Amino acid sequence: KNQVEQSPQSLIILEGKNCTLQCNYTVSPFSNLRWYKQDTGRGPVSLTIMTFSENTKSNGRYTATLDADTKQSSLHITASQLSDSASYICVVSGGNAGKSTFGDGTTLTVKP
Amino acid sequence: SAVISQKPSRDICQRGTSLTIQCQVDSQVTMMFWYRQQPGQSLTLIATANQGSEATYESGFVIDKFPISRPNLTFSTLTVSNMSPEDSSIYLCSVIQDSSYGYTFGSGTRLTVV
Repeated sequence: KNQVEQSPQSLIILEGKNCTLQCNYTVSPFSNLRWYKQDTGRGPVSLTIMTFSENTKSNGRYTATLDADTKQSSLHITASQLSDSASYICVVSGGNAGKSTFGDGTTLTVKP
Repeated sequence: SAVISQKPSRDICQRGTSLTIQCQVDSQVTMMFWYRQQPGQSLTLIATANQGSEATYESGFVIDKFPISRPNLTFSTLTVSNMSPEDSSIYLCSVIQDSSYGYTFGSGTRLTVV
């Protein structure tokens, strides 16, 4: 069964600090992995998308890494801001039907 | 990326009634997706809506409960029928135009059934 597990479930950090969110998956064969940011009451917004051959991709203060061998990805947020408070969702596409599997998300709270 | 207008943004409905959610895309897309996001959980795919054919439903979702229309390449509706409090969720539509970008989501409809 294709699964995507994210950790931690929730995280509280102080403004200006860095943090790293984790995503482990069992989806096979692998097509791509995406990180989304979902603000409360809004739809998810794409941050990064990575294919098998990509190890690192950045989008401003967000840097995603992918290790396709260990089936792990991380999202690193640098110099956090209050506006980074949101749910971060890892989505992995692939499998025999080519569908997308969503993780349960990590809820990040940035405090002043 | 595509821009999606989804409405209503929220609604409070009586049990036993139905609500139709609309999604309008600013460009033509082949596939549109409808998701449900229950409180504190991630997104679950309800169905894939293709223009000119019946929607394809995921396990656990049926057309009688969640009828979908897709009259053209820029518009789709999802109806939540005969609602019960268990249907209280956020409902989202999404499209995928370019595999290099991923999904674009609507802003969601927050449904509360009382």
